[in-house]
Amino acid sequence: NAGVTQTPKFQVLKTGQSMTLQCAQDMNHEYMSWYRQDPGMGLRLIHYSVGAGITDQGEVPNGYNVSRSTTEDFPLRLLSAAPSQTSVYFCASSYRGILDTEAFFGQGTRLTVV
Amino acid sequence: AQTVTQSQPEMSVQEAETVTLSCTYDTSESDYYLFWYKQPPSRQMILVIRQEAYKQQNATENRFSVNFQKAAKSFSLKISDSQLGDAAMYFCAYRSASSGNTPLVFGKGTRLSVIA
Repeated sequence: NAGVTQTPKFQVLKTGQSMTLQCAQDMNHEYMSWYRQDPGMGLRLIHYSVGAGITDQGEVPNGYNVSRSTTEDFPLRLLSAAPSQTSVYFCASSYRGILDTEAFFGQGTRLTVV
Repeated sequence: AQTVTQSQPEMSVQEAETVTLSCTYDTSESDYYLFWYKQPPSRQMILVIRQEAYKQQNATENRFSVNFQKAAKSFSLKISDSQLGDAAMYFCAYRSASSGNTPLVFGKGTRLSVIA
């Protein structure tokens, strides 16, 4: 099992460029989410999905779009990158429900917007 | 909305000693889960330990144990016999046990240094 795979691991963008951060999991998890990690701020939720075709906003959704066309994939799109979006991004997945609540994380994407 | 507070941005411990990391949370719910995640320099998020709120017994995982005080909304992590490999950022996290699934809410983290 690969677990949660994020690509790319590093990316530099110019202000105004767009890009998609990829996230894929092979554990058949219904629940997937995107977080950003900034120094001194912990991990903040951007968007999440409880299953294919269903997405919802988290704490800091502005400037980001998501879609969930399959159970396996949950891409995060930056429509017009801004320096404030410089951060480390984490994708996580877990089973939906109460009994299995551990979240599995990808290895993160370090994004720099110049 | 639930909040998680880690009041110690940085901590240090001598190798082989014991250290306790603090975490408090605010919620009006009675059923929830609490977690401690470790993030070493590799950036990987690693689950250290978890606690179900309905369980009174404190969770333990080898050298890691928690002191869960539900009434005080406190969830501290104790690391015994600290090792150099324990040096990392530690995040406390909360998840509601309400229907469906809910996101993890994280504290801002505590950076732990281990001194040889």
